[in-house]
Amino acid sequence: AQTVTQSQPEMSVQEAETVTLSCTYDTSESDYYLFWYKQPPSRQMILVIRQEAYKQQNATENRFSVNFQKAAKSFSLKISDSQLGDAAMYFCAYRRASEGAQKLVFGQGTRLTINP
Amino acid sequence: GAVVSQHPSRVICKSGTSVKIECRSLDFQATTMFWYRQFPKQSLMLMATSNEGSKATYEQGVEKDKFLINHASLTLSTLTVTSAHPEDSSFYICSARRGGKYEQYFGPGTRLTVT
Repeated sequence: AQTVTQSQPEMSVQEAETVTLSCTYDTSESDYYLFWYKQPPSRQMILVIRQEAYKQQNATENRFSVNFQKAAKSFSLKISDSQLGDAAMYFCAYRRASEGAQKLVFGQGTRLTINP
Repeated sequence: GAVVSQHPSRVICKSGTSVKIECRSLDFQATTMFWYRQFPKQSLMLMATSNEGSKATYEQGVEKDKFLINHASLTLSTLTVTSAHPEDSSFYICSARRGGKYEQYFGPGTRLTVT
């Protein structure tokens, strides 16, 4: 069974600085998707970024980028120029790419605090 | 696009009663909907997966007779918590997916309190 591990329960960063959240996963599949979701205090889950395993290029979305290391099964999220609105729980998630595969497997989450 | 709504956002019910939570995809047709439960400071726990017009697939340990899921149309799924007890108090989140490689889109969640 696939598992996703986030080893940092809490992280904090000064506003405007850069922070990296870690995520590792375990799978025997070769094709899959990886996601980072943000859950602010409102509890609404928001997709931050998505990576397709067959793509070697790391995904980027504005201030958010990932470091996808397929061989190491590592998928970290880098947030540049941190803003107060980035404060939230961040969840790493995995999904198989095969047809019919639909379940997301979530990590335990990392609570990110932004210090003004 | 890809907006998912849930109703109600908060509900308080008495022990022994049943409560229904609705999940709607507002601007797309959802071939699959998912129901999650989230305890405070914890991750999301998948309860069940439902495809339109067919029976839901429940995760191990989830009582299907207690958590009734109906996915009657491509835009609506409902979760009914039957004979609710205080231990059922939690935050319930639904998500919907169009199929293919599209990701899941999440609803805003429903906080259930059973007194």
